[in-house]
Amino acid sequence: DAGVIQSPRHEVTEMGQEVTLRCKPISGHDYLFWYRQTMMRGLELLIYFNNNVPIDDSGMPEDRFSAKMPNASFSTLKIQPSEPRDSAVYFCASSSGTPNTEAFFGQGTRLTVV
Amino acid sequence: GENVEQHPSTLSVQEGDSAVIKCTYSDSASNYFPWYKQELGKRPQLIIDIRSNVGEKKDQRIAVTLNKTAKHFSLHITETQPEDSAVYFCAAPTSNDYKLSFGAGTTVTVRA
Repeated sequence: DAGVIQSPRHEVTEMGQEVTLRCKPISGHDYLFWYRQTMMRGLELLIYFNNNVPIDDSGMPEDRFSAKMPNASFSTLKIQPSEPRDSAVYFCASSSGTPNTEAFFGQGTRLTVV
Repeated sequence: GENVEQHPSTLSVQEGDSAVIKCTYSDSASNYFPWYKQELGKRPQLIIDIRSNVGEKKDQRIAVTLNKTAKHFSLHITETQPEDSAVYFCAAPTSNDYKLSFGAGTTVTVRA
């Protein structure tokens, strides 16, 4: 398996534009997590899915952020409209359904909003 | 929810010396404690984890200890090498779901 795949790796966009980040989890993993990493706030969990269903989105900072998982092999995180303070590295991670197992991270998307 | 605190935030050690990073957590029902290593510009990767039915676990030069009574766990790296330079994160889940709360991270620098 190629691991968790995220695209794009880098995204530079202007304030006010819509940004869509994509993630393909490891095949067979039931859980998918979206994290945001910044120097100020560290690694923050934004939302996670179990069997394609959003379970907890309490970490989503504002209504400008939305996430979907239309099937077991694909998820998106959308920011509309984007703001400079959204600049961060966004990681997607997946894990199996067994409790207390390793979360495998994708390589991340570095987002810069100018 | 779970609150994880990690210390120190930075750690500089001489090559060959040991490094110790400590974390505390708040949810007494937590039972899984992973440690992740993140090299510059790369993704976090699991290096070792411990479950609450053991007090210590070793894997070559790294070890983790767990004290459930005091609600803290530590990462020990012995005989440090330059490739150990990275940011290390501890984490703990809330007791009733799969949400991992991460510590703020420790930047470890191994001086040659």
